[in-house]
Amino acid sequence: GAGVSQSPRYKVAKRGQDVALRCDPISGHVSLFWYQQALGQGPEFLTYFQNEAQLDKSGLPSDRFFAERPEGSVSTLKIQRTQQEDSAVYLCASSYQAGGGPKTQYFGPGTRLLVL
Amino acid sequence: DAKTTQPPSMDCAEGRAANLPCNHSTISGNEYVYWYRQIHSQGPQYIIHGLKNNETNEMASLIITEDRKSSTLILPHATLRDTAVYYCIVRVGGPPLIYNQGGKLIFGQGTELSVKP
Repeated sequence: GAGVSQSPRYKVAKRGQDVALRCDPISGHVSLFWYQQALGQGPEFLTYFQNEAQLDKSGLPSDRFFAERPEGSVSTLKIQRTQQEDSAVYLCASSYQAGGGPKTQYFGPGTRLLVL
Repeated sequence: DAKTTQPPSMDCAEGRAANLPCNHSTISGNEYVYWYRQIHSQGPQYIIHGLKNNETNEMASLIITEDRKSSTLILPHATLRDTAVYYCIVRVGGPPLIYNQGGKLIFGQGTELSVKP
């Protein structure tokens, strides 16, 4: 079956531009996570959804970052007025469990964002 | 969640066992040890987890010391495709105790394993 997919796989943006990153979780998965991975670092948690409810957004670095999952399936991570420090790989993970147990998170390939 | 310490890099010869250490000296009694790996340009992949007993699955074995302050992930016969960054994560196992906390994972910098022919 299909895994977690993300689009685009690569995005180049000029500083100040808005970007939108899409995540298609595995069908039926309740939990959805976004992580940010800077070059040479481990992924860092950004936000968590259970169905359409955003239950944890403690990792979002600034109010320029916004995530939504309006119908409880596809999610979009939006970054407004991008800055060079936003350059990173953005990973999406989904889990069929409510709460998303560590063993059951399935990650997508990520979107590599480069802000010039 | 407790912090973990891993060596930044390791080499292993193809066909030999790869032993990846992890220190977690502040681990609590209800925290599990999880291992993930990330192959270049892919998302992280779950490998194995354990509480205090040694565990084995089709991918790897996990050895946890009796005092639970450290553990070792063993890939018994490393192949070139095992070249990846390996992350050791310590956290409360099973469903989260706090409803809205979710199962977020806290990654460190991991160990970059290079399997060489």
